[in-house]
Amino acid sequence: SSELTQDPAVSVALGQTVRITCQGDSLRSYYASWYQQKPGQAPVLVIYGKNNRPSGIPDRFSGSSSGNTASLTITGAQAEDEADYYCNSRDSSGNLVVFGGGTKLTVL
Amino acid sequence: QVQLVQSGAEVKKPGASVKVSCKASGYTFTSYDINWVRQATGQGLEWMGWMNPNSGNTGYAQKFQGRVTMTRNTSISTAYMELSSLRSEDTAVYYCARRGGSNWFDPWGQGTLVTVSS
Repeated sequence: SSELTQDPAVSVALGQTVRITCQGDSLRSYYASWYQQKPGQAPVLVIYGKNNRPSGIPDRFSGSSSGNTASLTITGAQAEDEADYYCNSRDSSGNLVVFGGGTKLTVL
Repeated sequence: QVQLVQSGAEVKKPGASVKVSCKASGYTFTSYDINWVRQATGQGLEWMGWMNPNSGNTGYAQKFQGRVTMTRNTSISTAYMELSSLRSEDTAVYYCARRGGSNWFDPWGQGTLVTVSS
């Protein structure tokens, strides 16, 4: 399959922990990467590889993977974390790239 | 710092072509693939394809095969994405992004709005 599936919307109370998931067959072979996108802005990479954060990304963001599911966890969500989150990975052939449909995170 | 700067907004008529540029700075342009991703208003990210600036090799999503061409000019560290036979459904923000490793994209350009309207 060349598809990655994400829940359309997730909410979390301020300061609590939230997990955003991404499912797809290709995730059994390839790591997912995660992007945060705020309105009117370009996406920003927050997690890549096994569980790597680019410089400047807070350590409350972490990634994990099990079977066909990759997860982005925000531990102690802040108001500024409210955004759309997208996963991506290679497709099953390894030649192409696919994105998940995105998850809108609301911080209550 | 590593940066990708894209060309400005475009308005095109149906059936026309558009060429968006993406100028890289702060790193060796030929060392990383450039990918193109688009986003229609209110919609998700859609991957279009990749280009290796060193070899010029490309790979396109099946949806865009035959309509998209990705090229580069290494002398000015600039990648280009040309989309032809435009239709209203191609109205979107087009992003370039540098690919590191297997599939992670960082950084992204600021985006170029392409509007297709008669």
